[in-house]
Amino acid sequence: EAQVTQNPRYLITVTGKKLTVTCSQNMNHEYMSWYRQDPGLGLRQIYYSMNVEVTDKGDVPEGYKVSRKEKRNFPLILESPSPNQTSLYFCASSRTSGASNQPQHFGDGTRLSIL
Amino acid sequence: EDKVVQSPLSLVVHEGDTVTLNCSYEVTNFRSLLWYKQEKKAPTFLFMLTSSGIEKKSGRLSSILDKKELFSILNITATQTGDSAIYLCAVLRTGANSKLTFGKGITLSVRP
Repeated sequence: EAQVTQNPRYLITVTGKKLTVTCSQNMNHEYMSWYRQDPGLGLRQIYYSMNVEVTDKGDVPEGYKVSRKEKRNFPLILESPSPNQTSLYFCASSRTSGASNQPQHFGDGTRLSIL
Repeated sequence: EDKVVQSPLSLVVHEGDTVTLNCSYEVTNFRSLLWYKQEKKAPTFLFMLTSSGIEKKSGRLSSILDKKELFSILNITATQTGDSAIYLCAVLRTGANSKLTFGKGITLSVRP
C-alpha cells in the first residue's frame, strides 16, 4: 500500500531534549516536505527536499533541521525543542517537484508537546 | 507573499443539504489549486485544478476554478455526516519547490 509513514504519532517531551520525527515513503517520490499545523494559522512549510541530498528552507525553518540521505526517508530534527514548537506536524511527498502536476500525499501526523 | 483565503471558516448544515465552500487566492506564478479533506489525521487529496472552467467531479463532490477571478469553489451535494471534516484549499506555484500554501480551512459539520 502506498503511504507516508511518520513516527512517533504522539510525543510529550521537555524543553531542550533533542528529538527526531521520522518520515518514510514507499512510492519512490522525489519531493518530500514537512509542514506544521497550528490553530488559526493553517499548515505552513518548514523544510522541503527535491531529491537526495537536496534540502531547503520553507516558511518557518527556525529551530528545525532535516536531512535526506536516502530517497525514502526525510527525518525532522529538533535539536533543542522549545514550547513554541508544540504543534501537529505532517510529512508529505509527491512524485516530482514543481515541474509536475502531482498532488502531495500526507502522513498521518505527529502531535508534539514540548513542556 | 502568497495568500489563500477560505470562507466561511465554519459551517453547520443538516444531512441532505448542499454546501458551497469558497477559496480565493493571490499567488505569484500560479500552477494549480488543490482541495484536501482533513478528518482526524492526514489531509486526503480531493481535487487538483489547473485550468479555468473545467469542473472536476467525484461522487457528490465537485470543484471548479476561475483563474481570472482567482477563486475556486468546492460543492458537496446531499451531504452526509461522514462529510464532516475540515476542508483545506492550497495553491501550488511553478518552480522547483512544490510548496503548498494553505488556507486556514473550513470546518464543516453535518448534523443528522
